[in-house]
Amino acid sequence: DTEVTQTPKHLVMGMTNKKSLKCEQHMGHRAMYWYKQKAKKPPELMFVYSYEKLSINESVPSRFSPECPNSSLLNLHLHALQPEDSALYLCASSQGRARAGGGDTEAFFGQGTRLTVV
Amino acid sequence: AQSVTQLDSHVSVSEGTPVLLRCNYSSSYSPSLFWYVQHPNKGLQLLLKYTSAATLVKGINGFEAEFKKSETSFHLTKPSAHMSDAAEYFCVVSGPSGGYQKVTFGTGTKLQVIP
Repeated sequence: DTEVTQTPKHLVMGMTNKKSLKCEQHMGHRAMYWYKQKAKKPPELMFVYSYEKLSINESVPSRFSPECPNSSLLNLHLHALQPEDSALYLCASSQGRARAGGGDTEAFFGQGTRLTVV
Repeated sequence: AQSVTQLDSHVSVSEGTPVLLRCNYSSSYSPSLFWYVQHPNKGLQLLLKYTSAATLVKGINGFEAEFKKSETSFHLTKPSAHMSDAAEYFCVVSGPSGGYQKVTFGTGTKLQVIP
């Protein structure tokens, strides 16, 4: 199984709603990532979890709250979002510790959640 | 440190003609390099990857890329473009950073295929 599964595929939410995005992988990867992608732009890194601990937070507003309940699951909790937060949210996973140029450095991406904030 | 430069933001080719999407990288260690494709309103699909084995890498849908260390390049090619190849293409470099992979995306190249 080389899949990263994201749910839901599409989400429309109001600015006062609370919702969560979910991501799951069963490849034994110990690093998981959240990216945000706006139209016609490359994905931008938001958070990195390594061995279930938050390693990187790229100055993301607190209305986005990540959670890694176990090594296979990654959530992104959303609260009081703004219309400009509308984007494609991508989850990825990879091996934790890997050597440079090794065959285990690939990041596997999910298909994303298309989020629209109204 | 690592970075990726995609030299063309937009490439237009006629159906049946060759495709060349250019990518240059910099990395302070032996890099892993990837090309991803993204069709409109879709997620990222891995086309091919280089991880220090053969320098000519073959991927899906007839794409291939050649790793040239002396030129720090990893250009993506296809002998004959198909209409279904129209999409955004991202060159990516990845390297270990403690307990995770530091993944750096290029800015993307939009490929247009003219019938």
